[in-house]
Amino acid sequence: DSGVTQTPKHLITATGQRVTLRCSPRSGDLSVYWYQQSLDQGLQFLIQYYNGEERAKGNILERFSAQQFPDLHSELNLSSLELGDSALYFCASSKVGDEQFFGPGTRLTVL
Amino acid sequence: DQQVKQNSPSLSVQEGRISILNCDYTNSMFDYFLWYKKYPAEGPTFLISISSIKDKNEDGRFTVFLNKSAKHLSLHIVPSQPGDSAVYFCAASANLGDNLFFGTGTRLTVIP
Repeated sequence: DSGVTQTPKHLITATGQRVTLRCSPRSGDLSVYWYQQSLDQGLQFLIQYYNGEERAKGNILERFSAQQFPDLHSELNLSSLELGDSALYFCASSKVGDEQFFGPGTRLTVL
Repeated sequence: DQQVKQNSPSLSVQEGRISILNCDYTNSMFDYFLWYKKYPAEGPTFLISISSIKDKNEDGRFTVFLNKSAKHLSLHIVPSQPGDSAVYFCAASANLGDNLFFGTGTRLTVIP
């Protein structure tokens, strides 16, 4: 158990819908990262937050957005969903200058 | 543009023998390299890391070797155990704490 929690574990929705994925980092970790893993691919970096502020952005679509709240949990919002958005979404957290620890992921299926 | 590459999708090894997983990268700005292990239905688990100032880092049965001139790193597992069967991801970043660039993974099967 990495100490990073993600909810929900599974999400099934339809094209055009909007969903919110939630992540709670390890105690004391100020950085939160979001990654997407499509079928048989490596993890692709989406976005990083540090202590509530956006710190780095990867190949995140404009339909996707994220935020980190004062209690340090983070949410990833995916809107106008398309079939190709079906993937595993991982959240990771870290302390400053430390390795990233990953949550168990949320499997999103868009039908 | 895959900046971190794992060219072997799978590897099978007999229990007790050495497993060698390979990884290549293209971005010379990468200074920190990590290996993660992933079981089905779980998130990646951090295994071992190495910074570019070293060429070797060892932790128990796991050793990572870095060849900066060749932009190549490898993970050695000795002796391999059936519980090591998982997908192994190589990852890299410019600095520790920066976002990671991942390879596509190598599925290791250790045969009892």
